[in-house]
Amino acid sequence: KQEVTQIPAALSVPEGENLVLNCSFTDSAIYNLQWFRQDPGKGLTSLLLIQSSQREQTSGRLNASLDKSSGRSTLYIAASQPGDSATYLCALASGNTPLVFGKGTRLSVIA
Amino acid sequence: DTAVSQTPKYLVTQMGNDKSIKCEQNLGHDTMYWYKQDSKKFLKIMFSYNNKELIINETVPNRFSPKSPDKAHLNLHINSLELGDSAVYFCASSQTARYGYTFGSGTRLTVV
Repeated sequence: KQEVTQIPAALSVPEGENLVLNCSFTDSAIYNLQWFRQDPGKGLTSLLLIQSSQREQTSGRLNASLDKSSGRSTLYIAASQPGDSATYLCALASGNTPLVFGKGTRLSVIA
Repeated sequence: DTAVSQTPKYLVTQMGNDKSIKCEQNLGHDTMYWYKQDSKKFLKIMFSYNNKELIINETVPNRFSPKSPDKAHLNLHINSLELGDSAVYFCASSQTARYGYTFGSGTRLTVV
């Protein structure tokens, strides 16, 4: 059974810093890994989708990497802004199993 | 146009009542899902439907009954609501698991 762990659970950084959010998973037989953002009281916004055959995906200031052999993914946010404050969720799709989520990292970017 | 839409956005009801949440997707996806986000913000799968057929039921109490009249709609009916049912319920859809999921904005259910 796939288990997804996100570290740290919460992170507070000053504006302008580069930061890394971590996601680890137990079963490497995945289709893909998806990073989402959730603002308080809001829905989930998909940020990046990495297929199992890919090593990384980039969108603007965001870069996500995937290392299946070690069961790890990272989300790198460059030049953080207060508007990046949200909860970031890592989720994996594999086999016939619906998307399995980690518990998220709550990010605060202080102006 | 909203890709996955849920109604209502907020639902406050008394214990013992029956309520429904509706979900519609206009993406042409074959598979739809219901997820529950608990008070600790953890998202957990409840049901999965593919082309109107139930695929997965993750040990959800039978007070919860999903219904899919067509592949663009997946509604969630809850009987005899309990305090512990208070949560945010998210609907999602995907073409296949390989192409990622799209989520609705959620329905915050509060049982008093």
